[in-house]
Amino acid sequence: GAGVSQSPSNKVTEKGKDVELRCDPISGHTALYWYRQRLGQGLEFLIYFQGNSAPDKSGLPSDRFSAERTGESVSTLTIQRTQQEDSAVYLCASSLRAGDGYTFGSGTRLTVV
Amino acid sequence: GQQLNQSPQSMFIQEGEDVSMNCTSSSIFNTWLWYKQDPGEGPVLLIALYKAGELTSNGRLTAQFGITRKDSFLNISASIPSDVGIYFCAGRGGNGDPQETSGSRLTFGEGTQLTVNP
Repeated sequence: GAGVSQSPSNKVTEKGKDVELRCDPISGHTALYWYRQRLGQGLEFLIYFQGNSAPDKSGLPSDRFSAERTGESVSTLTIQRTQQEDSAVYLCASSLRAGDGYTFGSGTRLTVV
Repeated sequence: GQQLNQSPQSMFIQEGEDVSMNCTSSSIFNTWLWYKQDPGEGPVLLIALYKAGELTSNGRLTAQFGITRKDSFLNISASIPSDVGIYFCAGRGGNGDPQETSGSRLTFGEGTQLTVNP
């Protein structure tokens, strides 16, 4: 597609439930990134995929967080046993190559109640 | 990890005024980027800086990559109402960055909320 697409745009979930967030990067972009943005704060790196290389998971805050990407296509970010502190906007971005400027999606606003 | 200090946190200005915001870091970066975020949207890249001392303009926006590689500023001239939003600086790579070899991870500042009064 023309831009990075994320779904759902909003998600309200009960504490303890699992959630899955989806990102469709720009076609042909080999690099894909997930960031978290808490209310009124900057963006916090979560995970980075580059082609078929092992992902950089160093930003994942706990083992409740995981992400997958098949080839150079869709990625899913899964949060298990959600907690209230997981409430944030989760932003996905892609770039043609590692080191290029990112294009961000509009994000998924997650609210854990 | 690396920290970026961005200031000011917020600015309230009149239309037509010039604006300046900056970011500083305790460690060096190889690339500085400036993004703007509108409500409900992801950040959009405004300017990218790749070389220490580089001064780059994009319309009414001007940004500089500090000589020490530890700071950058963004200036907006003759502000207009649509400049309203949150501006973020971001740095990539540099000394002591464990992601230097991959070179793609960005460290973001906390943002500057800009309000322009017509």
